Amino acid sequence: AQSVSQHNHHVILSEAASLELGCNYSYGGTVNLFWYVQYPGQHLQLLLKYFSGDPLVKGIKGFEAEFIKSKFSFNLRKPSVQWSDTAEYFCAVNAQTGNTGKLIFGQGTTLQVKP
Amino acid sequence: NAGVTQTPKFQVLKTGQSMTLQCAQDMNHEYMSWYRQDPGMGLRLIHYSVGAGITDQGEVPNGYNVSRSTTEDFPLRLLSAAPSQTSVYFCASSYLTSGTYNEQFFGPGTRLTVL
Repeated sequence: AQSVSQHNHHVILSEAASLELGCNYSYGGTVNLFWYVQYPGQHLQLLLKYFSGDPLVKGIKGFEAEFIKSKFSFNLRKPSVQWSDTAEYFCAVNAQTGNTGKLIFGQGTTLQVKP
Repeated sequence: NAGVTQTPKFQVLKTGQSMTLQCAQDMNHEYMSWYRQDPGMGLRLIHYSVGAGITDQGEVPNGYNVSRSTTEDFPLRLLSAAPSQTSVYFCASSYLTSGTYNEQFFGPGTRLTVL
């Protein structure tokens, strides 16, 4: 069965610090990978996605993620965080083969950015 | 486009009551799904549908029913509410691109409390 693990549950950073959030998945086949963000009191929004091609993908608001197939990882990065990045971040995976559209989510990482 | 809409935004039920959470999308997406979000557990899939007349169970289907009579609507029914169903419920939709499901678009959520 597929599973997704996010290593950091709660991260606190100062503004301008660099961010890296870990995401590892467990699945033997080809996957589609997503990072979603949930700002306080809001619904989930897509930050970026990876289906195929260049393993370094760029998303909105200066975020990027790198897919490392050998490590089953899809870590999210941002060189310099802002107070407005305070939110909860979710990594998610679905299988390409026999794709039913089912997304499996990680537990989420709460990011708090101090001004 | 309104995107994915959900009603109500908030609901309080007593144990044993039944209710229906409404979800609609105006993007003509084939795929719709329901998740529940609980602290520290990410989002867990309750039920999903790949088209009108087709539904299937996700990770946590017990206590919930769904139907999909039209492409636009995907209501979630709580048959006999229990305190364990206190959660935030999100509806999402997606579409096929080259045979694979693209990212999911989320509604604003319904916060349900069962006393």
